[in-house]
Amino acid sequence: DGGITQSPKYLFRKEGQNVTLSCEQNLNHDAMYWYRQDPGQGLRLIYYSQIVNDFQKGDIAEGYSVSREKKESFPLTVTSAQKNPTAFYLCASSLGTGRQYFGPGTRLTVT
Amino acid sequence: RKEVEQDPGPFNVPEGATVAFNCTYSNSASQSFFWYRQDCRKEPKLLMSVYSSGNEDGRFTAQLNRASQYISLLIRDSKLSDSATYLCVVIGGFSSGSARQLTFGSGTQLTVLP
Repeated sequence: DGGITQSPKYLFRKEGQNVTLSCEQNLNHDAMYWYRQDPGQGLRLIYYSQIVNDFQKGDIAEGYSVSREKKESFPLTVTSAQKNPTAFYLCASSLGTGRQYFGPGTRLTVT
Repeated sequence: RKEVEQDPGPFNVPEGATVAFNCTYSNSASQSFFWYRQDCRKEPKLLMSVYSSGNEDGRFTAQLNRASQYISLLIRDSKLSDSATYLCVVIGGFSSGSARQLTFGSGTQLTVLP
């Protein structure tokens, strides 16, 4: 089946620890995105990548880092510098700038 | 002014009602438009694209008004299963400094009551 996978579904971490969220797609899409969603809020763009080995900051990139070494993979690291990391993280991909396909998301809780 | 704005929710309607949501966008150069549906604690899923001439998919109708710069989503004969958050997406025409061309609205929550 083609699609986007994110793992894990739920993640718990202690404050001060870095954590990496996985995102893999087998849709052969060039573009991939990371969003953050807080309760009752819309999606806010963290980072996006349009081609391998290149990525751009979104609106709320501070405290996050990404890599795009392979077309299929776009991992997101939430660093200890992120002040409020507890949120629902969504990865998406698209062919160009068209319709986006979303993964099931990762709920990160930092205590 | 936000680049993309949606009707504030929540909308609580009885089963069988017709409900409409609007989404306004600030840049007249925007090119593509979509409506997504997001269920509680799930990822957004594409509901329908919005075409210039308007388009219909069963009980759902999407329309684009370029002159007034808004898109709309009409749901007829609403069902309990329509309860969700509806997000509009606008692509193209924005110059935010990051070269990002896709913007999500903040979403409108719909609850269909029995």
